Amino acid sequence: EVQLLESGGGLVQPGGSLRLSCAASGFTFSSYDMNWVRQAPGKGLERVSYIKSSGDSTKYADSVKGRFTISRDNSKNTLYLQMNSLRAEDTAVYYCAKVAYISGWSHFDHWGQGTLVTVSS
Amino acid sequence: EILLTQSPGTLSLSPGERATLSCRASQTVSSTYLAWYQQKPGQAPRLLIYGTSSRATGIPDRFSGSGSGTDFTLIISRLEPEDFAVYYCHQYAGSRSFGQGTKVEIK
Repeated sequence: EVQLLESGGGLVQPGGSLRLSCAASGFTFSSYDMNWVRQAPGKGLERVSYIKSSGDSTKYADSVKGRFTISRDNSKNTLYLQMNSLRAEDTAVYYCAKVAYISGWSHFDHWGQGTLVTVSS
Repeated sequence: EILLTQSPGTLSLSPGERATLSCRASQTVSSTYLAWYQQKPGQAPRLLIYGTSSRATGIPDRFSGSGSGTDFTLIISRLEPEDFAVYYCHQYAGSRSFGQGTKVEIK
């Protein structure tokens, strides 16, 4: 059974940093591209970052470019999101999401339960 | 970036009724790359439909998807109590985007 378990969320002051983790199990983690998707309170879904299965290609939403860094450790089956210079508008539940297919464009077939990040003084 | 606009914003229906949800894209989306997710309060999104019309594992056949080009539709043929939720469309051809969601609420 595929499981994605996020951790690392919490309350942080504006300008602060936080590192999110997503522990994966039940599939060959190193074969699948992964994503972080966030959802601000009462709002819709926004894909914030993507990383290729090998870790050598990444993408970011314009809203987080230059502040967030996605990475992965395939030996530990874990996905990360380093978030720096946090702003109030980064307040959201952050989900890790797995793509369905090893190659090509693919929908998300599994999501973690999410971790809440609150940026406030 | 392809913008997805969902309508209506809220759909008020009774159990047993038919729900028709729309997702319109700002430019053509290949039908291969359009999905629908269901989200209940406090839960992660759940995959319902991918490739416009393929149901995900375990999704009942009262859920169906259709469409092409810029217009896509999710139909719930007979609403069950557990179907009242928010539904998002998602295009994943290159740069991904989500619709803003349609809330299906109990009338």
